Amino acid sequence: AQKITQTQPGMFVQEKEAVTLDCTYDTSDQSYGLFWYKQPSSGEMIFLIYQGSYDEQNATEGRYSLNFQKARKSANLVISASQLGDSAMYFCAMRASLNAGGTSYGKLTFGQGTILTVHP
Amino acid sequence: SQTIHQWPATLVQPVGSPLSLECTVEGTSNPNLYWYRQAAGRGLQLLFYSVGIGQISSEVPQNLSASRPQDRQFILSSKKLLLSDSGFYLCAWSVWGRNQPQHFGDGTRLSIL
Repeated sequence: AQKITQTQPGMFVQEKEAVTLDCTYDTSDQSYGLFWYKQPSSGEMIFLIYQGSYDEQNATEGRYSLNFQKARKSANLVISASQLGDSAMYFCAMRASLNAGGTSYGKLTFGQGTILTVHP
Repeated sequence: SQTIHQWPATLVQPVGSPLSLECTVEGTSNPNLYWYRQAAGRGLQLLFYSVGIGQISSEVPQNLSASRPQDRQFILSSKKLLLSDSGFYLCAWSVWGRNQPQHFGDGTRLSIL
């Protein structure tokens, strides 16, 4: 079974500062993918960034980067130069190995989320 | 480009009434489709997923059911709603691929009275 843990229920950051949102995971699979999503107060889930377990470099997407430490089973999201519009709930999620014969194909396991508040 | 439509946006239903939430995807073929439920301030719980027409996998035993009558249509139903069915329901789609994210609809806020 897979598990995602986000230990920070809430985080605060000053506008224009960087912030790190923590995510640790547990899986017995050798091949897996890690995703981060943003959920504003309106409710929609917005895909931010992806990291594959075999990717040698940390993923980056604009102001978002992923600090991937495979041995520690952590995939922390780093948001640089925070903006007021970054205030939202952030979810870390993991996709199981893409085993066509398995029932876990394509499914995501989500953490409980971290509420980020950006102060002006 | 691909889009996902989910409706209604909000719904208030009495206990014991039926439910039908619909989700459609445009711009892609044979997507994987998912229904999630989210309690207030919590993470997402996968309810059902489908990899093809008529194929439904259930994750959590409950009084909800799902159907996929067409390739890009996914329906969440209940014959009799319970108070515990209240929540935020999200539909999502993805294509095959290790690095392919799931793309979500805008969700339905369901309140049971």
